[in-house]
Amino acid sequence: GQQLNQSPQSMFIQEGEDVSMNCTSSSIFNTWLWYKQEPGEGPVLLIALYKAGELTSNGRLTAQFGITRKDSFLNISASIPSDVGIYFCAGHTSGTYKYIFGTGTRLKVLA
Amino acid sequence: NAGVTQTPKFQVLKTGQSMTLQCAQDMNHEYMSWYRQDPGMGLRLIHYSVGAGITDQGEVPNGYNVSRSTTEDFPLRLLSAAPSQTSVYFCASALAGALYEQYFGPGTRLTVT
Repeated sequence: GQQLNQSPQSMFIQEGEDVSMNCTSSSIFNTWLWYKQEPGEGPVLLIALYKAGELTSNGRLTAQFGITRKDSFLNISASIPSDVGIYFCAGHTSGTYKYIFGTGTRLKVLA
Repeated sequence: NAGVTQTPKFQVLKTGQSMTLQCAQDMNHEYMSWYRQDPGMGLRLIHYSVGAGITDQGEVPNGYNVSRSTTEDFPLRLLSAAPSQTSVYFCASALAGALYEQYFGPGTRLTVT
């Protein structure tokens, strides 16, 4: 089945550092989403993107919908220990009820 | 609001046993879905429903059945469990007009021996 490639697979960073991760697809999407999952919990929506080129922020998080509509990027500025978790991207095509999820980026923040 | 609830939280089955994973939501969401999460694979859609009486298959439907008799409930049935179904299962719901905002339950960790 279709999958989204996320990179990096995992990151260990120092508190206060900025983080970048990305998601690429072989298909075009109309909506890109970014989720965060903490241990033992379900994913929680962070940011939704609806238009190619769109740049959206949510606090220290900024995400971009790639111009080609085949990729998206998430940046976290000034990381803190509670940023720890797995970050997933997901893509959606209009006219369907299905989201395709990426394989996740596992983030660990060292205090 | 309880949001999306799932039971049980953990389950161990023997190969060939059957069971039903329960999912309920109290937000009057039309859309409900089931995903499985395996290491390194992200979340994969098993089945989804856009309203009571309407269900459809996702990416990995084999070995699973669903039904949607009410808006609130969307149970997932394993008729004959196999070790390949060992996974963490998540239920999610959303308003039909806002599918991007899916609310996920806490998950059910299933082990099939």
